[in-house]
Amino acid sequence: KQEVTQIPAALSVPEGENLVLNCSFTDSAIYNLQWFRQDPGKGLTSLLLIQSSQREQTSGRLNASLDKSSGRSTLYIAASQPGDSATYLCATLSGGSNYKLTFGKGTLLTVNP
Amino acid sequence: DTGVSQDPRHKITKRGQNVTFRCDPISEHNRLYWYRQTLGQGPEFLTYFQNEAQLEKSRLLSDRFSAERPKGSFSTLEIQRTEQGDSAMYLCASSLKGARELFFGEGSRLTVL
Repeated sequence: KQEVTQIPAALSVPEGENLVLNCSFTDSAIYNLQWFRQDPGKGLTSLLLIQSSQREQTSGRLNASLDKSSGRSTLYIAASQPGDSATYLCATLSGGSNYKLTFGKGTLLTVNP
Repeated sequence: DTGVSQDPRHKITKRGQNVTFRCDPISEHNRLYWYRQTLGQGPEFLTYFQNEAQLEKSRLLSDRFSAERPKGSFSTLEIQRTEQGDSAMYLCASSLKGARELFFGEGSRLTVL
């Protein structure tokens, strides 16, 4: 059974700092890994999706990497802004279950002005 | 708006009442998913449909829960005899068959008093 862990559970940084969020997973047989953003009381906004054959994806100030063999992914946020404050969730779509995402508990990011 | 739409966004009910949530997926998407998210946790899979067929249900979906997708378009999730433990965010997502990226709605938050 896939388990996804996100560290740290919470992170507070000053505006402008670069930061890294970590995600680890136990079963490396995944189709893809997605990073989502969730604002308080809201749904999920997809940020980046990395296919199992890819090493990284970039969108604006966001860069996500994937190392399947070690069961790790990182989300790098450059030049953080207060508007980046949210909970960031990673989720894997595992082999043999091409419809069921397994989520971590998320990292609550606070960017202070 | 061509995204996944959920209604209502927030429902407050008394213990023992029945509630129903509706999800309208992206129009051409034939797969539809329900997830549940409790406070401080990542979303957990509840059930999924391919067209009108419900193909899998999680053990989390007790017999008080029923989901339908009668014409393969919108879906409803009904909870009978609600309990305080049912308080959560109910998230709907959709995807194309064969595509491995899920698109989530804004969620329906249930508060059971």
